[in-house]
Amino acid sequence: DIQMTQSPSSLSASVGDRVTITCRASQSISSYLNWYQQKPGKAPKLLIYAASSLQSGVPSRFSGSGSGTDFTLTISSLQPEDFATYYCQQSYSTLLFTFGPGTKVDIK
Amino acid sequence: EVQLVQSGAEVKKPGESLKISCKGSGYSFTSYWIGWVRQMPGKGLEWMGIIYPGDSDTRYSPSFQGQVTISADKSISTAYLQWSSLKASDTAMYYCARQGSSLGFDPWGQGTLVTVSS
Repeated sequence: DIQMTQSPSSLSASVGDRVTITCRASQSISSYLNWYQQKPGKAPKLLIYAASSLQSGVPSRFSGSGSGTDFTLTISSLQPEDFATYYCQQSYSTLLFTFGPGTKVDIK
Repeated sequence: EVQLVQSGAEVKKPGESLKISCKGSGYSFTSYWIGWVRQMPGKGLEWMGIIYPGDSDTRYSPSFQGQVTISADKSISTAYLQWSSLKASDTAMYYCARQGSSLGFDPWGQGTLVTVSS
């Protein structure tokens, strides 16, 4: 099975900060990597698919990069509504789409 | 609008059976995979399995194989997740989500909270 790790597990940041979250796969997954945002009490929301493609309706301050085993999600200027938990997910394994453990972004 | 609507919260006793549902609308239900995800209280997202309603092809995460059954009734555009004998450790929020052509999952259902307690 492909294992996913994320770092950091949590971070504190201020509005306007640039935030970067890292996701690593236990083996190469090419660009088959998705990013989700989850707010408390809500379902996850797809932000980025195929490592770097922005889902329709998602603000352009979100961006993704990477391929192979190492990926990043960047929020260029953190907004109040961005405080949430972020998960990566690999979609490389046939129909076994494991998630990373999550990164919680809260207010400094 | 593409939408997944899940059935309501459930409170069950250990050993009881349960079937929760996820109804799709606004798209061709038989043409997209539907996945199920567990989120235990205060924890992260866990991939459970996936079904293709067009032919009921189903795959399970090894962690959930034999523990749950995923099915679908394409005549009513509904996918299901069921347990034959619930345990307290099945207490969690369960989400369904549609896999798009991008291989990302969107949209998601609103979630069904399952509470198992004696």
